[in-house]
Amino acid sequence: QITLKESGPTLVKPTQTLTLTCTFSGFSVTTRGLGVGWIRQPPGKALEWLAQIYWDDDKRYSPSLKSRLTITKDTSKNQVVLTMTNMDPVDTATYYCAHRGNTNWFDPWGQGTLVTVSS
Amino acid sequence: QTVVTQEPSFSVSPGGTVTLTCGLSSGSVSTGYYPSWYQQTPGQAPRALIHSTNTRSSGVPDRFSGAVLGNKAALTITGAQADDEGDYYCALYMGSGISAFGGGTRLTVL
Repeated sequence: QITLKESGPTLVKPTQTLTLTCTFSGFSVTTRGLGVGWIRQPPGKALEWLAQIYWDDDKRYSPSLKSRLTITKDTSKNQVVLTMTNMDPVDTATYYCAHRGNTNWFDPWGQGTLVTVSS
Repeated sequence: QTVVTQEPSFSVSPGGTVTLTCGLSSGSVSTGYYPSWYQQTPGQAPRALIHSTNTRSSGVPDRFSGAVLGNKAALTITGAQADDEGDYYCALYMGSGISAFGGGTRLTVL
């Protein structure tokens, strides 16, 4: 059974850097074709794909946020970390990590973690 | 920048059939976009329903089906039930490892 869980701060100040950790079990992120993605959802709004990391350590980012995002993985800890710099109140959202299947689908998802950006 | 489009809302009667679509602001959706569909109910994380255009995720009932119809991806729910109410999102593979979600469709069953 695959499970994922996000962890990190619930409140960050504007201009700070957000660091979120996705801890997973039930699969290896080094298995060919697989990966982990990050998706966010502002309150009452749609899902937005942010980034994903592949089994071979290839990394892809949303073009609109690329300059602010970094995704890394620690295979020994079964963790994927997302950092987002220069946080702004518009970045307030629930942040999800998800297992990425080999034809670019996300299943399952973590429960999500709400991050509020406020001074 | 190409945007993934979905109907903002849809309504279906219990037992009825509804087809939600997923298009592009510019161009046509094909199987090469590997369309996937997700259901989200209030307060819950999204749940995968369909991937690779028409493959149901584990445990998803067969009244959910996917296809490419014309120039859009489509999710059809046959025999709608009350617990099908929620938000439905499609996602497309845009190439170069990039994914994009649509704006979501709020489905009401009444």
